[in-house]
Amino acid sequence: DQQVKQNSPSLSVQEGRISILNCDYTNSMFDYFLWYKKYPAEGPTFLISISSIKDKNEDGRFTVFLNKSAKHLSLHIVPSQPGDSAVYFCAASETGGYQKVTFGTGTKLQVIP
Amino acid sequence: EAQVTQNPRYLITVTGKKLTVTCSQNMNHEYMSWYRQDPGLGLRQIYYSMNVEVTDKGDVPEGYKVSRKEKRNFPLILESPSPNQTSLYFCASSGPEMNTEAFFGQGTRLTVV
Repeated sequence: DQQVKQNSPSLSVQEGRISILNCDYTNSMFDYFLWYKKYPAEGPTFLISISSIKDKNEDGRFTVFLNKSAKHLSLHIVPSQPGDSAVYFCAASETGGYQKVTFGTGTKLQVIP
Repeated sequence: EAQVTQNPRYLITVTGKKLTVTCSQNMNHEYMSWYRQDPGLGLRQIYYSMNVEVTDKGDVPEGYKVSRKEKRNFPLILESPSPNQTSLYFCASSGPEMNTEAFFGQGTRLTVV
C-alpha cells in the first residue's frame, strides 16, 4: 500500500515558467513533510520541509503548500531553471515516528531551456 | 566537510554470498537509515536506527540485517543475497531533533547474479 503517492512520473516545463510537483498521502498520522531532489549518480539532497501546523513554507524559488484536509502537498518552483532538472521525491513522517520516513515514487522534472 | 560515506559504490556478487555495505557519518547524528531505490517504487526504507544499539524495521526489511555498535557507523548486511535484492542502496543520517532533513550517501549499486 503506497502511503505517499506522486502520480506524475515526469514533468516538462519551459525555463522561466512555474513547475508544480504534486504529492498525495493517505496516512492521517503524517505530520511532517519533506521534499528531496536527486540528480543521477548522487544521493538525494534536502530541498524544503513543512510541518502540519503550517500550510505554506517558502525558501527562495521553492514553496511547499500543504492541504491537510485533502492530504495533498505541492512543490512550486518559480522561476524554473535548467539546473532544476532532477527527480523530486516527497517524503512524510509522524512526529514520534522515530525517523520512520515514507517516500513517494518520485517525479522527474525536465526544465527546457 | 559534513558527509555520509558508503562503500562500496558498485558491487556485483553471486547469490548466497554474504556481503556488507558500510555507512559512516561524521555529523554526530543520532538517526541513521537504509533505503533501496527501485524503478517505479521510489525510495523504500529498509531499517532505521534511533541511536547506538537501537534499530527497527522499515518497510522492506526482509533479507537484510543492520547493526549500530557505534554512533557514526550503520552497516547493512545481506546474509544470503538474492537477485531480487539487486537495487540502488542509500544510507542516510539525521539529527539531533526528530524532524530534521536527512543527509544521504552517494549510493551503492548492488547487482546479485
